[in-house]
Amino acid sequence: GQQLNQSPQSMFIQEGEDVSMNCTSSSIFNTWLWYKQEPGEGPVLLIALYKAGELTSNGRLTAQFGITRKDSFLNISASIPSDVGIYFCAGLRGAQKLVFGQGTRLTINP
Amino acid sequence: DVKVTQSSRYLVKRTGEKVFLECVQDMDHENMFWYRQDPGLGLRLIYFSYDVKMKEKGDIPEGYSVSREKKERFSLILESASTNQTSMYLCASRYTIYRTSTDTQYFGPGTRLTVL
Repeated sequence: GQQLNQSPQSMFIQEGEDVSMNCTSSSIFNTWLWYKQEPGEGPVLLIALYKAGELTSNGRLTAQFGITRKDSFLNISASIPSDVGIYFCAGLRGAQKLVFGQGTRLTINP
Repeated sequence: DVKVTQSSRYLVKRTGEKVFLECVQDMDHENMFWYRQDPGLGLRLIYFSYDVKMKEKGDIPEGYSVSREKKERFSLILESASTNQTSMYLCASRYTIYRTSTDTQYFGPGTRLTVL
């Protein structure tokens, strides 16, 4: 099925660094969702975006809905060890099924 | 807080057994989904349901069936489990408020199924 292009696939950073990841698509979406998944657990919703250009924060996380509606970005500021995990973007368009990115695996060196 | 629960976190079954995975959501959502997640293959949609007694095939329905007798409960059934169905199974629930264009999907904690 269709997938979003999520990058980078993996990141190895030092604790305290900022993190940026993004998702792009050839199709327009009405909703962008960002999830975090830890080993052995289900994805947990972090941020939901509903309007082009929208910038939304959740603590140290900030996500943006691209103006073209074909992309979205997630930033994590001042990373801490518990930020480790896999981050997924997902796009929704009307009644269609959720389309996922491949995930970004974040590893943090203390 | 939206809650999606799955009946088991870990399950071990034998080849040929009939397996039931249960999912319950407590927010009156109409849409529910079953995915499986495998390394390198990402999340793949097995079945989904838009309403009670309604079901639609996803991308990989073979070997699975579903049941939605009540709005809050969506069951995934493996009629005759096989080793290639060893996987992480994730249930999800989705709500849409058309008036405000709000559309969000929540996942359960997952069931790690091993078929021996």
